[in-house]
Amino acid sequence: GAVVSQHPSWVICKSGTSVKIECRSLDFQATTMFWYRQFPKQSLMLMATSNEGSKATYEQGVEKDKFLINHASLTLSTLTVTSAHPEDSSFYICSARGNQATNEKLFFGSGTQLSVL
Amino acid sequence: QKEVEQDPGPLSVPEGAIVSLNCTYSNSAFQYFMWYRQYSRKGPELLMYTYSSGNKEDGRFTAQVDKSSKYISLFIRDSQPSDSATYLCAMSFSYSSASKIIFGSGTRLSIRP
Repeated sequence: GAVVSQHPSWVICKSGTSVKIECRSLDFQATTMFWYRQFPKQSLMLMATSNEGSKATYEQGVEKDKFLINHASLTLSTLTVTSAHPEDSSFYICSARGNQATNEKLFFGSGTQLSVL
Repeated sequence: QKEVEQDPGPLSVPEGAIVSLNCTYSNSAFQYFMWYRQYSRKGPELLMYTYSSGNKEDGRFTAQVDKSSKYISLFIRDSQPSDSATYLCAMSFSYSSASKIIFGSGTRLSIRP
């Protein structure tokens, strides 16, 4: 089945640094990818929709200058958390919707746990 | 009011029991309904999806949609300890690749051996 690879799984960084998270669709092309954030024991909150070759669409309340999204190819989207602060510590998950061959199902990466010290 | 409401649990049942998980939604424009299973610190895994009202069965899992009541359910038969996880309902306005998906808050399920 379709696979979405997310890297890294864990990252610990100092306050003020930037962190990049990669999301790749391994065996299908994804013109659209989604980035979610999840706090402990809470659901996934959609942060933004990443569109290949164009600007991302951010959800209300998500700072686009804080969470930079780049979708440079049909198989790769990146999320950069700029000048990270402890309140940015969270579990970040990407997803990609398959094509007709995979019945348009939504496949998730394994997530990235970000801890900002 | 949230677009999708789901009881967070936790729900604890003995092994072998039938589990019923439910969600309600407020927007009648939702057309595509899904259930995901998520283990701790892992990405969600799609269990079931359906477009229409009625039941859809896959092994021990049955997804039920009642569009008139804006209510969806997931039933797990012969529950196993390995079914212990958080179950998320999700829905979208269409099944196109660009349509965003709205998730419920998730129900934590624990199956006691």
